Amino acid sequence: EAGVVQSPRYKIIEKKQPVAFWCNPISGHNTLYWYLQNLGQGPELLIRYENEEAVDDSQLPKDRFSAERLKGVDSTLKIQPAELGDSAVYLCASSLAGGPGNEQFFGPGTRLTVL
Amino acid sequence: KQEVTQIPAALSVPEGENLVLNCSFTDSAIYNLQWFRQDPGKGLTSLLLIQSSQREQTSGRLNASLDKSSGRSTLYIAASQPGDSATYLCAPNNAGNMLTFGGGTRLMVKP
Repeated sequence: EAGVVQSPRYKIIEKKQPVAFWCNPISGHNTLYWYLQNLGQGPELLIRYENEEAVDDSQLPKDRFSAERLKGVDSTLKIQPAELGDSAVYLCASSLAGGPGNEQFFGPGTRLTVL
Repeated sequence: KQEVTQIPAALSVPEGENLVLNCSFTDSAIYNLQWFRQDPGKGLTSLLLIQSSQREQTSGRLNASLDKSSGRSTLYIAASQPGDSATYLCAPNNAGNMLTFGGGTRLMVKP
């Protein structure tokens, strides 16, 4: 069974440029998460989707970050414009819906470097 | 707001030692707690999930215990191997399927 797929794995851009990350969750997982991981720290939740609905986006910097999950399967996270401080690893995770406390499974992440 | 602390932040041991990694959290109203492993430049691999009603969970050489009332979990690694070298992260799961991560313990097992 395929795990969580993310692309690209690495991205280098100049500041003020836009960037987008893509995630495809494990088949059958209705809940999708985007996390941000800074170097040497644990991941922090940016946004959580239940199917197409963003049910927790309180940590998403909405002035420059946006996300969508139009058909309730794969998802895109966008940054526009990127800033130097956005350099980090962006992780996508998924879990089964239907109850609290389901195990989360993570993708390999996208490492973003903003120059 | 949930806060998670992992001690020690780094650990270097010779091969064969038994290890204990500690995790403490401030909000005991959790559904479960997950332990993850992260290799350099890679994503997170789920090692163990221990439900709030459980006291411990085992997988191979790994054993996780949970004391929800005191806000503590430990990950025990038996007979450590160089391949166990990685960062280990704990994450309690609160309302809304929200994982809060600690800063991790960076483990180095020397041959």
